[in-house]
Amino acid sequence: LAKTTQPISMDSYEGQEVNITCSHNNIATNDYITWYQQFPSQGPRFIIQGYKTKVTNEVASLFIPADRKSSTLSLPRVSLSDTAVYYCLVGDYRGSQGNLIFGKGTKLSVKP
Amino acid sequence: NAGVMQNPRHLVRRRGQEARLRCSPMKGHSHVYWYRQLPEEGLKFMVYLQKENIIDESGMPKERFSAEFPKEGPSILRIQQVVRGDSAAYFCASSPEAGRTYGYTFGSGTRLTVV
Repeated sequence: LAKTTQPISMDSYEGQEVNITCSHNNIATNDYITWYQQFPSQGPRFIIQGYKTKVTNEVASLFIPADRKSSTLSLPRVSLSDTAVYYCLVGDYRGSQGNLIFGKGTKLSVKP
Repeated sequence: NAGVMQNPRHLVRRRGQEARLRCSPMKGHSHVYWYRQLPEEGLKFMVYLQKENIIDESGMPKERFSAEFPKEGPSILRIQQVVRGDSAAYFCASSPEAGRTYGYTFGSGTRLTVV
């Protein structure tokens, strides 16, 4: 499973767009990129998953360049409730490789 | 459609006692995963189970820890003779298949405190 590197913390203000970049230089052909969000005292929540180019849902966008060695989670117009830890995960989750590998994540603090 | 249900939410045990943590996956999910999280740390994988089978237990400590996912009923993570170092949040996740398309759904966790 590919190792990921992401900033330990980020600060932002309400209404701004936030981009969190994750590096995964050793990503394998069958690996997908997944982002989770975790609030204090809660389990992680799936945000978005992608393989290449761009994926968008009602919560976020995920940008993946052609070489797939990095990815960027984009949160449009953040609010105070987006303050959380964001985890970038990379892996092929089929079969016996079903376990997710979490790093320490990026602690996003949104200020008024 | 209830999410992943974990109970109890909080569990206090004295050193040497047993702790039993329960996890009911989402309806239709047959894959269950247990993770442990220490304060200010990311989640650490412990074990991956399907109904009646342990698929991957590479993250489980060799002693005192066991897990099961019976044909009927919730998945159980059992910790025997607990020690202070077992104090952590334990999260369970489930998926309908091995996570590629749908992602994993996590419960709210059980916070174990060993006194």
